[in-house]
Amino acid sequence: RKEVEQDPGPFNVPEGATVAFNCTYSNSASQSFFWYRQDCRKEPKLLMSVYSSGNEDGRFTAQLNRASQYISLLIRDSKLSDSATYLCVVALAAGNQFYFGTGTSLTVIP
Amino acid sequence: EPEVTQTPSHQVTQMGQEVILRCVPISNHLYFYWYRQILGQKVEFLVSFYNNEISEKSEIFDDQFSVERPDGSNFTLKIRSTKLEDSAMYFCASSSPGQDTNYGYTFGSGTRLTVV
Repeated sequence: RKEVEQDPGPFNVPEGATVAFNCTYSNSASQSFFWYRQDCRKEPKLLMSVYSSGNEDGRFTAQLNRASQYISLLIRDSKLSDSATYLCVVALAAGNQFYFGTGTSLTVIP
Repeated sequence: EPEVTQTPSHQVTQMGQEVILRCVPISNHLYFYWYRQILGQKVEFLVSFYNNEISEKSEIFDDQFSVERPDGSNFTLKIRSTKLEDSAMYFCASSSPGQDTNYGYTFGSGTRLTVV
């Protein structure tokens, strides 16, 4: 059973579009949730943590639904520079191993 | 912004040889990790290290692998007798979560290991 599942995409969207990614996790005891961004052949970089109350950082909004065990990421007004793979990441607790999803590929088209 | 530094960026080695991948975590971080990513696949956990000992390891991290923090700044991953399937990008990461359960890792830029 996969710990974290994501739709691999690819998502191809025009500039300015709004796009949403979802992710589900299997362990209901998970406590830490993140979205990371990975460019081709580069390291994952933290995009944002995901809090139970939902949180927003500029054009990015993350939501957590503990009851359904899913996490979402909404990107508004997509930019060309948003093209990357978005990784859903879950951990049981701070300091524990991260479980990565396979990533969702996004390409923003001019 | 503090960085996790990894060397070398690319290592080519012959099957059966030993390799050591080096990492300098962020100086005030307390947890250190190694992950790997085979080309086209997801990022996989290898091992975590805290308080000078392994705190968690995956099934991948068998007797072929070992980690060390030899001098208080470096954090190394040794792979003995490399196999072709060890070819991957190896990422070091560090964190200092404290009381914040949502404190993410900082990853290094990775070492691409190619076993030939």
